[in-house]
Amino acid sequence: EAQVTQNPRYLITVTGKKLTVTCSQNMNHEYMSWYRQDPGLGLRQIYYSMNVEVTDKGDVPEGYKVSRKEKRNFPLILESPSPNQTSLYFCASSLAGNTEAFFGQGTRLTVV
Amino acid sequence: TQLLEQSPQFLSIQEGENLTVYCNSSSVFSSLQWYRQEPGEGPVLLVTVVTGGEVKKLKRLTFQFGDARKDSSLHITAAQPGDTGLYLCAGGSKGSARQLTFGSGTQLTVLP
Repeated sequence: EAQVTQNPRYLITVTGKKLTVTCSQNMNHEYMSWYRQDPGLGLRQIYYSMNVEVTDKGDVPEGYKVSRKEKRNFPLILESPSPNQTSLYFCASSLAGNTEAFFGQGTRLTVV
Repeated sequence: TQLLEQSPQFLSIQEGENLTVYCNSSSVFSSLQWYRQEPGEGPVLLVTVVTGGEVKKLKRLTFQFGDARKDSSLHITAAQPGDTGLYLCAGGSKGSARQLTFGSGTQLTVLP
């Protein structure tokens, strides 16, 4: 089954404790991205990757890091999480060229 | 930065009523996508429109792309409780590495 898998689904952590949210897709998509979703603000892009070893900043990259060492994986790293990073996070993948974006089920992160 | 504004932000209607959701921008997009998101899930693509003036129908849902490719609308006829969800529009720009720009969303509730 074609899918984007994020882990974990839920995470509560404390300020400053490094964490990684994993994302994996099995559709051989070139393009992957991370979004955060906050009430009234829609989906805001954090980082995106056009292919292996190619990443770039989206609209709200501060406080986040990503890597794309393999085509299927695109982890999101919070080196020192802060409470304003409490949000619902989505990973998405697609073929290049503005085609359909396939989303993971989301990761609800709470930073206390 | 390209922006997409959706209206209304919230909509609560009775089963059987009709409704229209709007997605507006000052920017021209090469394509416009509509997604629906249910609680606890990632957004799922409903339709993509690519030609100015294009109209697509998906059962009781009618999607239209504005002639100037700056705006779009989603019309639902005889809404049902199963239509309840968050509707998101997303604009695509050819040649843009950032793929999609999402609107802030319309939360639709259809009451039985």
